[in-house]
Amino acid sequence: EDQVTQSPEALRLQEGESSSLNCSYTVSGLRGLFWYRQDPGKGPEFLFTLYSAGEEKEKERLKATLTKKESFLHITAPKPEDSATYLCAVRGGDSNYQLIWGAGTKLIIKP
Amino acid sequence: GAGVSQSPSNKVTEKGKDVELRCDPISGHTALYWYRQRLGQGLEFLIYFQGNSAPDKSGLPSDRFSAERTGESVSTLTIQRTQQEDSAVYLCASSPRDGSYEQYFGPGTRLTVT
Repeated sequence: EDQVTQSPEALRLQEGESSSLNCSYTVSGLRGLFWYRQDPGKGPEFLFTLYSAGEEKEKERLKATLTKKESFLHITAPKPEDSATYLCAVRGGDSNYQLIWGAGTKLIIKP
Repeated sequence: GAGVSQSPSNKVTEKGKDVELRCDPISGHTALYWYRQRLGQGLEFLIYFQGNSAPDKSGLPSDRFSAERTGESVSTLTIQRTQQEDSAVYLCASSPRDGSYEQYFGPGTRLTVT
């Protein structure tokens, strides 16, 4: 069964304290791993798509990496405005369009 | 340009009443998704529309749920005889093609069934 597990559920950091969020997945034939950011009361906002192991993408203080079993979202020197819930989703080989979503990691950056 | 819009933003209804939720996708986007998000949980797929193809309704939790889309424009999600377990945020997303491309989400409709 295709599955996505994100850890930790919540992460509290001081401003400037770098860390990583984890997304572990089990899927038959990965066809894309997606990272989204969701602010309270809003819909998810697209961040990255990764397609193959070894691929990396960066945007400002965020860098996403991918292996055959998991993806990491590294956040470097975070700021309070980086506080949000970060969602991971995968598309497997059995579906042309359905994504399997993780429950998210709630990131809180204290000033 | 304009993003995905949803209405209403909040809906409080009594158990047993019907509700209709609306989604206006980004112009030109052929794919449209409805999701349900319960507090502290991931997104639950409900239904998928792609152009004029038959929709994938495999995620609808019961026959009380239905959705329609007119061509590549507005979509409505209808929940009949609402139950308290239907309380959640209902999110709509559109995509320029199929799931190979990123999905653009609306702000959601928060449904509360009392």
